[in-house]
Formats: sequence, C-alpha cells, structure tokens
Amino acid sequence: DAGVIQSPRHEVTEMGQEVTLRCKPISGHDYLFWYRQTMMRGLELLIYFNNNVPIDDSGMPEDRFSAKMPNASFSTLKIQPSEPRDSAVYFCASSLGLGTDTQYFGPGTRLTVL
Amino acid sequence: AQSVTQLGSHVSVSEGALVLLRCNYSSSVPPYLFWYVQYPNQGLQLLLKYTSAATLVKGINGFEAEFKKSETSFHLTKPSAHMSDAAEYFCAVSNGGSYIPTFGRGTSLIVHP
Repeated sequence: DAGVIQSPRHEVTEMGQEVTLRCKPISGHDYLFWYRQTMMRGLELLIYFNNNVPIDDSGMPEDRFSAKMPNASFSTLKIQPSEPRDSAVYFCASSLGLGTDTQYFGPGTRLTVL
Repeated sequence: AQSVTQLGSHVSVSEGALVLLRCNYSSSVPPYLFWYVQYPNQGLQLLLKYTSAATLVKGINGFEAEFKKSETSFHLTKPSAHMSDAAEYFCAVSNGGSYIPTFGRGTSLIVHP
C-alpha cells in the first residue's frame, strides 16, 4: 500500500483566499483524522471520521474550517477565508480502529498564509 | 480522562550515548501507550506500543520502552544513539477501545557527533 497520501505538500496563499487540503487514507481503514501541528500548540486533533461520518469536530478552531469525507478513499479540509494564523503543517492520518490501533500519518501539507 | 506529559522539549546526547526520553501519563483506566517518531519533513510513524501484554516493549531501530504502573511512566530508551535518531518523538495514551490517543507535546532529540 502507498500509505496515506496528502496533497499538496506545500501551499502558499494570501490572506482571505480559500484553501483546500486533500487526503487519501489507507484502503480498508475505517477512521480518518485531521491534525494541525504548530510550534506553539504542538499536535492538535481537528476532527475525525468513522466510516466517512464526522464523529468529533470539537478541535476545529472556528467556522472558517470545514472537513468532508464524501467516500472511503477521500477527505478534504477547507479553510475559507484563510488567515496568517492558520499557517501550520496539516496532517491526515488513518487507522483500522481506535484504542490499540496504530495511526498511519501522511507526509503533511505545509500551509503558509501571507 | 487521559493525558500525557513529556518532560523536556529538547534532549541532547552524543552519538553512542544512552537515549532516555521521558513520558508520564494520566489515565482513569489501564492505558494503552504509544511512542511515535517524526523525522524532518515527514509524518509521524509508530515506534512501539504497549497494549497490556509485556511491560517491556521493543520497537523499531533499537528503541524500547517500559510500562511502569506505579510510576505512571512509559519512558523510551535506546542504549546507543545514532545520528539518524535525530527526530521529534511523541508519546501518546489511549484509555481503551473507544478512545483516540492523546499526544504529548513532543521531545526533540538532538544527536551530536
């Protein structure tokens, strides 16, 4: 398997623009997670899905952030409008289950909002 | 509730020296514990995990960790550091089958020649 795939790897945009990050989880994994990593706040869980259904979005910072999972092989994280404080590395991860199951992380998308 | 504390945001060792990265957890039930490693410009990958079997867990690249319930600790060790071990290390705890892991803030391991 190719692992978790994220695109783009790098995104530079201007404040106010819409940003869409994409993720393809490992086939057969029932759970998908979106994380944000910054120096100040470390690794933060934004939202996770089970069988394409959002389960907990309490980590989404504000209404400018939205996530969808239209099918088992694709998810998006959208920021509209983007702000400089959204600059971070965004990771997608997937797993078979919870508890003891390993999370497999993608390479991340480094977002810079000017 | 579950939480994890990693003592020391940075640890610096010489090549060939012992590596010790500290992790203490808080959990209301017997926990599952994980160590992940993040190399520069990459995502996290699993080093090892404790799932209530043997208390001494061996992982990849010569790392191991010991679960100590009395100390609520799960410290990561490696007898001899290698330059390629330089990375960010994350400890994580899960309360059970229906819980997602909670990650610590991470410890950056610096290895000097």
